[in-house]
Amino acid sequence: KAGVTQTPRYLIKTRGQQVTLSCSPISGHRSVSWYQQTPGQGLQFLFEYFSETQRNKGNFPGRFSGRQFSNSRSEMNVSTLELGDSALYLCASSWTGGANTEAFFGQGTRLTVV
Amino acid sequence: AQSVAQPEDQVNVAEGNPLTVKCTYSVSGNPYLFWYVQYPNRGLQFLLKYITGDNLVKGSYGFEAEFNKSQTSFHLKKPSALVSDSALYFCAVRPSGTYKYIFGTGTRLKVLA
Repeated sequence: KAGVTQTPRYLIKTRGQQVTLSCSPISGHRSVSWYQQTPGQGLQFLFEYFSETQRNKGNFPGRFSGRQFSNSRSEMNVSTLELGDSALYLCASSWTGGANTEAFFGQGTRLTVV
Repeated sequence: AQSVAQPEDQVNVAEGNPLTVKCTYSVSGNPYLFWYVQYPNRGLQFLLKYITGDNLVKGSYGFEAEFNKSQTSFHLKKPSALVSDSALYFCAVRPSGTYKYIFGTGTRLKVLA
């Protein structure tokens, strides 16, 4: 069974640009969530989607947005990139996203903003 | 506020010795607790979880964790450490009624040959 796939693995962007990251969940998983990982802030929750609906959002500015498609694939978008957006972005999928279920993480997309 | 604390940034242990990685939590309601491991340039891999029942939870790769409600702790343990266990370990809580993890800051485990 294929795991969670994130593309691209690495990305370099310039300040002010926008970027779109993609996540394909494990087959059958309907919940997809996104996390930002930085050395200073650790792992921070961005948002979670289930059946194309955002159910939870973290404390990030509106420049960070996401969506989920009918096949459960998800994308996140960051507009007007800032240097501080440089991070490893992790996507995780699970069957339902319920609190008692474990999530499975992709390898991440490492975004560098210059 | 709901939170997870991992008091040690790094834990060093000799190969073959038992290891413990500490985690304490603060959460309202029933705690759903998890341990994940991260190897360099990789995502997080699920190790084990506590939902309810037995306080000693067994997981992948010989790891186990002990849930202690009175001390609000969920320490990760392994009886005999391997060099290949060297990695970054995260404790996390999933508050009831939400769909997100709250992660601790991570503990780097270094197993010395």
